[in-house]
Amino acid sequence: AQTVTQSQPEMSVQEAETVTLSCTYDTSESDYYLFWYKQPPSRQMILVIRQEAYKQQNATENRFSVNFQKAAKSFSLKISDSQLGDAAMYFCAYRSRNRDDKIIFGKGTRLHILP
Amino acid sequence: NAGVTQTPKFQVLKTGQSMTLQCAQDMNHEYMSWYRQDPGMGLRLIHYSVGAGITDQGEVPNGYNVSRSTTEDFPLRLLSAAPSQTSVYFCASSLGQGFHGYTFGSGTRLTVV
Repeated sequence: AQTVTQSQPEMSVQEAETVTLSCTYDTSESDYYLFWYKQPPSRQMILVIRQEAYKQQNATENRFSVNFQKAAKSFSLKISDSQLGDAAMYFCAYRSRNRDDKIIFGKGTRLHILP
Repeated sequence: NAGVTQTPKFQVLKTGQSMTLQCAQDMNHEYMSWYRQDPGMGLRLIHYSVGAGITDQGEVPNGYNVSRSTTEDFPLRLLSAAPSQTSVYFCASSLGQGFHGYTFGSGTRLTVV
């Protein structure tokens, strides 16, 4: 069974600085999808960025980018120019390409932005 | 286009009571799932469905029941509520497989006393 591990329960970053959130996963599959979700205090789950495993190029969405290392099974999220609105819980998630393709989530990293 | 609608947003139950958490989506999504979120545990999958009439168990299915009679609706039933079921519950849906991440409802905070 696949697992997703986020080793940093909490992190803090100064406003306007850059922060990287770590995620590792375990799978025997070669083709899959990876996601980062953001959960602000409102509780709403928001899709931040996604990556297809067969694509070597790292995904980028504005200030958010990933460092996808397939061999190391690592999928970190980099937030550049951190803003107060980035304060949230961030979840890393894995989804198989199989028919039975439920999404598996990590336990999350709470990100604090220091003004 | 309402997306994924969960009701109620908050609920308090007494131990032993039963109830149904409602989830509806208007996006014609095939895939629907129920997760529970507990502090330090992330989101854990309770049950999921890959289409009308098809459901399967996730990581923590005990004490919960689901059915999927239509594409739009995926209710979650608590058969006999226990304090251990105090949690925030999320319903999510997805169009097709893979790259389409889930769209989430706004969650239901359930307290069992």
